[in-house]
Amino acid sequence: SQKIEQNSEALNIQEGKTATLTCNYTNYSPAYLQWYRQDPGRGPVFLLLIRENEKEKRKERLKVTFDTTLKQSLFHITASQPADSATYLCALDDSNYQLIWGAGTKLIIKP
Amino acid sequence: DTEVTQTPKHLVMGMTNKKSLKCEQHMGHRAMYWYKQKAKKPPELMFVYSYEKLSINESVPSRFSPECPNSSLLNLHLHALQPEDSALYLCASTLNAAYNEQFFGPGTRLTVL
Repeated sequence: SQKIEQNSEALNIQEGKTATLTCNYTNYSPAYLQWYRQDPGRGPVFLLLIRENEKEKRKERLKVTFDTTLKQSLFHITASQPADSATYLCALDDSNYQLIWGAGTKLIIKP
Repeated sequence: DTEVTQTPKHLVMGMTNKKSLKCEQHMGHRAMYWYKQKAKKPPELMFVYSYEKLSINESVPSRFSPECPNSSLLNLHLHALQPEDSALYLCASTLNAAYNEQFFGPGTRLTVL
């Protein structure tokens, strides 16, 4: 069955630097992969979706890449700010149109 | 209106109580989901409704009973819960089951005593 691994439990980044989060999957390549942000005690918020035929997607300071050869997606936040501190979840579709979720990476941006 | 609302925000109940969680969206989405999330874990899918019909039940115990009265509303009826059922319960919706950008509500924090 498909498994998702996200890098490390927590990632500490200095304000202004680029934060890079990793999402690796183990089995079949999904039709698309999504990234969500979750703040404590709140529901996840959709950020970006990238399809298997897309290499890169951007939205303001966010950038997602998708490498089906490496079975990996990278999520970048440029010019990071303390307000970007949150848990970031990656999710990919399974054969039933449902999402399989990674455990998330807690990102801490230090001023 | 681009949000999913959930009530109540917090719920404390005893193991013999019956309570209900409510979820509402007015975005015209035809797929709605219930998730359970424990601390530091990803959301765990419980139920999926597609066009008001239950399409997925992820082997959830019968003490959780979902209901979809119409395309905008989703309920989760709770009865005889266990302390280990304490969690954040999240509702989500998508345009349809094949379009998977999910819109989540703020969740209900449930504590079972």
